[in-house]
Amino acid sequence: DQQVKQNSPSLSVQEGRISILNCDYTNSMFDYFLWYKKYPAEGPTFLISISSIKDKNEDGRFTVFLNKSAKHLSLHIVPSQPGDSAVYFCAASPGGSSNTGKLIFGQGTTLQVKP
Amino acid sequence: EPEVTQTPSHQVTQMGQEVILRCVPISNHLYFYWYRQILGQKVEFLVSFYNNEISEKSEIFDDQFSVERPDGSNFTLKIRSTKLEDSAMYFCASSEQGGHQPQHFGDGTRLSIL
Repeated sequence: DQQVKQNSPSLSVQEGRISILNCDYTNSMFDYFLWYKKYPAEGPTFLISISSIKDKNEDGRFTVFLNKSAKHLSLHIVPSQPGDSAVYFCAASPGGSSNTGKLIFGQGTTLQVKP
Repeated sequence: EPEVTQTPSHQVTQMGQEVILRCVPISNHLYFYWYRQILGQKVEFLVSFYNNEISEKSEIFDDQFSVERPDGSNFTLKIRSTKLEDSAMYFCASSEQGGHQPQHFGDGTRLSIL
């Protein structure tokens, strides 16, 4: 099942710089997208989400961009901090009247922010 | 901040035995979910639950699996006869509403089948 793909297994950036994490999807029925952060031995922590009616959503240092025509979304973290080092998961939810909230996850990208 | 809690954090069980994983969702949430992550693989949806019934289940969620909300606070996942391939991290999640609402996850139960 490759409906949600994160093609970069890892990313390393310098503290203070921008981190850009990418995610592609194949199912045009997805209408809600989320980013989660995960530390070892913890569950995924919700970061930010975006509905398909928008192309951008911002929350503090985190901004998610959605390009529906390309079926692509990205998470920008500015400025990056060492505490941002974690695994980042992209997730998508199918829409429609029978939407049960089921999330389909990407494989994750490990972000390392170097001091 | 309210959180989803899961117990136990680690469960070791002999193959063929029954196991129950427990979750306490966030108190005002109405939608409940189970996901699992096999080591090195993606987080996979198992089941969603609302209004005391299953809303959707994946192909993984076969007859060996069941979920229950036995009281007003707990949400459980039971695996009737465990197999080696059931070894995984199991995450419980809850959301206030369905649809376009973020799900909040517990820290998971690591299930090891011997």
